[in-house]
Amino acid sequence: KQEVTQIPAALSVPEGENLVLNCSFTDSAIYNLQWFRQDPGKGLTSLLLIQSSQREQTSGRLNASLDKSSGRSTLYIAASQPGDSATYLCAVSSPDTGNQFYFGTGTSLTVIP
Amino acid sequence: ETGVTQSPTHLIKTRGQQVTLRCSSQSGHNTVSWYQQALGQGPQFIFQYYREEENGRGNFPPRFSGLQFPNYSSELNVNALELDDSALYLCASSSNYYGYTFGSGTRLTVV
Repeated sequence: KQEVTQIPAALSVPEGENLVLNCSFTDSAIYNLQWFRQDPGKGLTSLLLIQSSQREQTSGRLNASLDKSSGRSTLYIAASQPGDSATYLCAVSSPDTGNQFYFGTGTSLTVIP
Repeated sequence: ETGVTQSPTHLIKTRGQQVTLRCSSQSGHNTVSWYQQALGQGPQFIFQYYREEENGRGNFPPRFSGLQFPNYSSELNVNALELDDSALYLCASSSNYYGYTFGSGTRLTVV
């Protein structure tokens, strides 16, 4: 069974700092990896989707990388802003259960003005 | 293009009761998945429907059941509610295996 781990569980940074969130998964045979943002008590907002054949995706100040062989992904946030404060979740899907996403428990990010 | 819509947004039920949660998938999406997210945890897969047929199920008991309708909207039904069923229930839709769009969720509280 796929297991997804996110480190750190919580992170607090001053505004303007660049930061990296980490995600690791146990089974390297994945369909894709998706990063989500979740505000307190709310649903999930998709940030970036990396398909298994890709190594990275970028959207604005966000860059996500994927290293399937090592079972790792990172989400890089440049020039952090207070509005980036949220929980960031990593999820992977696998060929044997391509319809199911396995989620990590998330990293809670606080950007201090 | 509309997104994924879930109703109701909040719900309080008594232990032992039954509940139905609803989801309207994004236009053009024929696959709907349901997830349960307990406080402080990542979402856990309940099941998925593709063209009105169940297409995968997570580790949830049979009292969790679902339906998908011809317009690809979906329902999640939970019978004999337990206190541990209190959670945020998320619906996600997709037109393929390459990423999902999530709704805002239904917060269920069982007392």
